Amino acid sequence: AQSVTQPDIHITVSEGASLELRCNYSYGATPYLFWYVQSPGQGLQLLLKYFSGDTLVQGIKGFEAEFKRSQSSFNLRKPSVHWSDAAEYFCAVGAAYGQNFVFGPGTRLSVLP
Amino acid sequence: DTAVSQTPKYLVTQMGNDKSIKCEQNLGHDTMYWYKQDSKKFLKIMFSYNNKELIINETVPNRFSPKSPDKAHLNLHINSLELGDSAVYFCASSTQDGLFFGSGTQLSVL
Repeated sequence: AQSVTQPDIHITVSEGASLELRCNYSYGATPYLFWYVQSPGQGLQLLLKYFSGDTLVQGIKGFEAEFKRSQSSFNLRKPSVHWSDAAEYFCAVGAAYGQNFVFGPGTRLSVLP
Repeated sequence: DTAVSQTPKYLVTQMGNDKSIKCEQNLGHDTMYWYKQDSKKFLKIMFSYNNKELIINETVPNRFSPKSPDKAHLNLHINSLELGDSAVYFCASSTQDGLFFGSGTQLSVL
């Protein structure tokens, strides 16, 4: 069965510092991988996705993620964090059209001024 | 121009009551979902409908009944509400590009 782990429950970084959020997955077929962000009181917004091709994908808000098949990882990165990036981040794996989606437990990001 | 909209945003009710949450999407997607997010932020799928037909029905108490009058709407009716039903419920729709979520309904059962 597919699963997603996000080893870090809570991460705190200073504004302007770089960020990496970890995601590891288990999936029987070629995975579709996603990162979502949830601001307090809001729904989930799609940051970026990987289906195939270039393993480094660019998303919105200056985020990028790299797919590493050998490590079953899809880590999210941002070179310089802004205070507005403070939110909950979810990694997800699934098939096309939202089928069999499984979300990780989320990583809460706090940003220090 | 909200893509996936759900109402109400907040729902406070007593145990034993029946309540409904409505969801509408104007994206033209064929597939819609209900997800439950618990107090620890864990997201779990409850139901999925494709073009008004139920395709995913996870282990959810039968007090929860989804209804899809057309492919743009997926409502969730909950009978005999229990304390443990308190959570945030998200509606979503999908294309090949992934899931698109509504802003959630925070249900509090007292």
